[in-house]
Amino acid sequence: GAGVSQSPSNKVTEKGKDVELRCDPISGHTALYWYRQRLGQGLEFLIYFQGNSAPDKSGLPSDRFSAERTGESVSTLTIQRTQQEDSAVYLCASSLGGQGADTQYFGPGTRLTVL
Amino acid sequence: AQSVTQLGSHVSVSEGALVLLRCNYSSSVPPYLFWYVQYPNQGLQLLLKYTTGATLVKGINGFEAEFKKSETSFHLTKPSAHMSDAAEYFCAVSKAAGNKLTFGGGTRVLVKP
Repeated sequence: GAGVSQSPSNKVTEKGKDVELRCDPISGHTALYWYRQRLGQGLEFLIYFQGNSAPDKSGLPSDRFSAERTGESVSTLTIQRTQQEDSAVYLCASSLGGQGADTQYFGPGTRLTVL
Repeated sequence: AQSVTQLGSHVSVSEGALVLLRCNYSSSVPPYLFWYVQYPNQGLQLLLKYTTGATLVKGINGFEAEFKKSETSFHLTKPSAHMSDAAEYFCAVSKAAGNKLTFGGGTRVLVKP
């Protein structure tokens, strides 16, 4: 079946602009996660959704970052007033439930470049 | 807070040689443990995971890992490297009652012919 999809695959923006990144999880997966991968670094957790609620937002780096999810479907990560340090690959993952042992399936990522 | 340490950001192995990637974690309780692989310009793919039961876990593409609680380690091995194993490998943990993955810094594997 279809995996996790993300759009756009690449986004170049100017400093100070807002961007929206989209994630379509695997159908039937109730849990959805956003991670960030900066150049030469590991992956950092940003936010976790169970259904359309976000019980864990602890990884969002500032109030410029926000995310929402429609039901158990698509999620959008919004970055307002982008800064150069926001340049990274943003990865979305989904899992069947929200348990620690559940496998998270990752999308191909959106590469964000802030000029 | 949990942390994951992968020893060596780059590893070079010859084709046919043993691949050994090291992962140590710090956690007050044994977590769930994962190894993911990331091929160039692709998303992460699960290689294997440990949840409960047998501590030696076999995964895809001939990889296996052993959970050693006393050493807080989950090292990844493959007896014989193939050229197709060139990729970046990430060790990750999650809490028994939590959800998010905490990742190590990754190890990039280069396979020499």
